[in-house]
Amino acid sequence: DAKTTQPTSMDCAEGRAANLPCNHSTISGNEYVYWYRQIHSQGPQYIIHGLKNNETNEMASLIITEDRKSSTLILPHATLRDTAVYYCIVRGDSGGGADGLTFGKGTHLIIQP
Amino acid sequence: ETGVTQTPRHLVMGMTNKKSLKCEQHLGHNAMYWYKQSAKKPLELMFVYSLEERVENNSVPSRFSPECPNSSHLFLHLHTLQPEDSALYLCASSQDRVDLTDTQYFGPGTRLTVL
Repeated sequence: DAKTTQPTSMDCAEGRAANLPCNHSTISGNEYVYWYRQIHSQGPQYIIHGLKNNETNEMASLIITEDRKSSTLILPHATLRDTAVYYCIVRGDSGGGADGLTFGKGTHLIIQP
Repeated sequence: ETGVTQTPRHLVMGMTNKKSLKCEQHLGHNAMYWYKQSAKKPLELMFVYSLEERVENNSVPSRFSPECPNSSHLFLHLHTLQPEDSALYLCASSQDRVDLTDTQYFGPGTRLTVL
């Protein structure tokens, strides 16, 4: 089972910041938070990951709360091409190396013109 | 383009056919993965290979048979499939599985329809 909870869907106006929340209240100390997105019927695309510090790259920013029980993915200036399903994934190590990714249902983000 | 290619992109097969899905990565990675995405269901991890050795098999039926001849290529051999096996099959690769910063990159997927 996925270890994360996300809203089923969200709308955001084009050009505005899209803030996607994720709850992961059972996260362990060594588990990372990963974000991927999937545009309809394509392969998932890696966005960003983090452990406890906030992270930023050319695609997005990741804000992780101090207790690490939740995080927010921020797309600073959403465009129509950002419409996709966004997956928040907690990734651990079962002892044999990094686990495969466990996807939940994600958040369907719809960017409105 | 993620550096992971999959062929064919679309495949229609009968239940008695034998077919194979191919994945190739051009990233110099050592780990490769097969995932399955059925309609209205989350992606499910099927198999994990690390340095051409299978390290994870998530209770996948034997009618799915993976093969990893080298670290750049991964196959999924299909035989006597059922209509419920119709899905998007996704391949991914990553540098290795040594630590949790190992990022997976996905191919575009093969859309499989079993008649």
